[in-house]
Amino acid sequence: GESVGLHLPTLSVQEGDNSIINCAYSNSASDYFIWYKQESGKGPQFIIDIRSNMDKRQGQRVTVLLNKTVKHLSLQIAATQPGDSAVYFCAEKQPGGGNKLTFGTGTQLKVEL
Amino acid sequence: DTEVTQTPKHLVMGMTNKKSLKCEQHMGHRAMYWYKQKAKKPPELMFVYSYEKLSINESVPSRFSPECPNSSLLNLHLHALQPEDSALYLCASSQDGTQETQYFGPGTRLLVL
Repeated sequence: GESVGLHLPTLSVQEGDNSIINCAYSNSASDYFIWYKQESGKGPQFIIDIRSNMDKRQGQRVTVLLNKTVKHLSLQIAATQPGDSAVYFCAEKQPGGGNKLTFGTGTQLKVEL
Repeated sequence: DTEVTQTPKHLVMGMTNKKSLKCEQHMGHRAMYWYKQKAKKPPELMFVYSYEKLSINESVPSRFSPECPNSSLLNLHLHALQPEDSALYLCASSQDGTQETQYFGPGTRLLVL
């Protein structure tokens, strides 16, 4: 089967540093990707998305990079803050009919003061 | 406003009980979803409703019964659950069944005794 996965289950960074969370996907037909942030006890919160016809998209303090050659997705968070501590999931829209998202395994981001 | 609300926040039920989870959105979205999330795992899709019709059932056991009374409401009826059904149940919505960005509610934490 095909899946979306993350390289690092836990990432610890110092406050103020930049964070990079990675995600590998195996379905070359996927054309849409989303990053979600999930804080403890809450539902996933939309952060940023990107379509396969783009390589980069920027939001407020976040940037998503898509490398279709190696099927790799990354989320960059600038000047990481304590409030960024959460689990981050990438999600991949399955090709074909129906709006099915397949989530990666998640990365726990811990921001150290 | 990208708010999806879910009630109750917490639910404890016995294996012979019948209970219902409720989800509501007022964003005019026409697609709604139920996900199940176990601890430290990504959300797993259960059901998708598009324009109030069930469009995807991910082979969910019949003890889970979804219902979409209107375009703003989504219910999940529970009956004869097992302890392994204990999880966080998340509701999400999107503009329609083709718009990929899904917005999640806070979830209902379910414990089956």
